[in-house]
Amino acid sequence: DIVMTQTPLSLSVTPGQPASISCKSSQSLLHSDAKTYLYWYLQKPGQPPQLLIYEVSNRFSGVPDRFSGSGSGTDFTLKISRVEAEDVGVYYCMQSIQFPWTFGQGTKVEIK
Amino acid sequence: QVQLQESGPGLVKPSQTLSLTCTVSGGSISSGNYYWSWIRQPAGKGLEWIGRIYTSGSTDYNPSLKSRVTISVDTSKNQLSLNLSSVTAADTAVYYCARGIATAARWGQGTLVTVSS
Repeated sequence: DIVMTQTPLSLSVTPGQPASISCKSSQSLLHSDAKTYLYWYLQKPGQPPQLLIYEVSNRFSGVPDRFSGSGSGTDFTLKISRVEAEDVGVYYCMQSIQFPWTFGQGTKVEIK
Repeated sequence: QVQLQESGPGLVKPSQTLSLTCTVSGGSISSGNYYWSWIRQPAGKGLEWIGRIYTSGSTDYNPSLKSRVTISVDTSKNQLSLNLSSVTAADTAVYYCARGIATAARWGQGTLVTVSS
């Protein structure tokens, strides 16, 4: 299985300040079709995960532009340009280049 | 906007089979090139992908669960199903169904299943 490793595991952020989460995969997520199968999710308290970013850097429908994704190969980053109170929750990266799809351990983001 | 809703027994005895249904509304389960997945999350823990079924009926399962898992679709009822046999306490989790192309883009709210005698 591809192991997804996120850092940090927790983050306390002042509203209006930026935040960054790293995700490293144990194998390259670049497919022969030129797509990179790396995704970011946010799970708010008591809710199912919601897709934020697909294929490294594409915002899903309705996702605010303060969220951005970058990276390539095995190293990826999710950035929030200005954290808002509604951004609290657990962020997960996920790969779907290989079965089984696997998730990172999650990064818990809280507001100071 | 497609919506997914999981349902099924909240309590299953050890060694029995866990059976869940995901009812899809706002769209046909057989239309589009989508994968329909089951994903679970033990309380306070991370996410585990169980498996998926394509609109053609082909399936892929997590090898760690493959011998116990069956995922199927009932197009007449617009439902996705999950059967997990020989359950133990380790199978206690919130179970989610989801739809996507190469990932899980739309999720149901999830249903808690507890395995206990």
